[in-house]
Amino acid sequence: DAGVIQSPRHEVTEMGQEVTLRCKPISGHNSLFWYRQTMMRGLELLIYFNNNVPIDDSGMPEDRFSAKMPNASFSTLKIQPSEPRDSAVYFCASSGHLGTINTGELFFGEGSRLTVL
Amino acid sequence: SQQGEEDPQALSIQEGENATMNCSYKTSINNLQWYRQNSGRGLVHLILIRSNEREKHSGRLRVTLDTSKKSSSLLITASRAADTASYFCATDKGGGNKLTFGTGTQLKVEL
Repeated sequence: DAGVIQSPRHEVTEMGQEVTLRCKPISGHNSLFWYRQTMMRGLELLIYFNNNVPIDDSGMPEDRFSAKMPNASFSTLKIQPSEPRDSAVYFCASSGHLGTINTGELFFGEGSRLTVL
Repeated sequence: SQQGEEDPQALSIQEGENATMNCSYKTSINNLQWYRQNSGRGLVHLILIRSNEREKHSGRLRVTLDTSKKSSSLLITASRAADTASYFCATDKGGGNKLTFGTGTQLKVEL
């Protein structure tokens, strides 16, 4: 398997622009997570989906952030409008079952490094 | 706030030495996991220890868990330069694999 695939790997944009980050989870995984990593705040869980349904979005900073999972193989995280304080590395991770057992571990993508000028 | 706090924040050792990192957490957990992150890369799962386990081994890794003290330690034996990375503990309070990550320990292994 190719692992969790994120795009773009790097994005530089100007304040006020819309940013869309994309994620393809590992095939067969039924949970998907969006994390944000900064030096100041470390790794923060933004939102997670189970079977394509958002379960907990309490970590989403504000209404400028939205996430969707239209099917089991694709998710997006959108920031509109973007602000300089949104600059961070955004990670997507997925997890799933081995047979009927939830293995518990997360598989991370390589991240999308966002810089908002 | 961070559920897990690792210490030390940074650790520098010589190749061949052992490296020990500690993690403290605040609430009851279902399991605790350790991850490694190389510079500029995503996190990679190392080992998971469940709340009813006290010690677990995987290759050169040894993890302990003390639920009474709400703490865990990760020991890397016979370290190698390739072990240079940041190490994070993550706690799962149960349900949905929703992990809360600690602040991380930066390990540097010098030749």
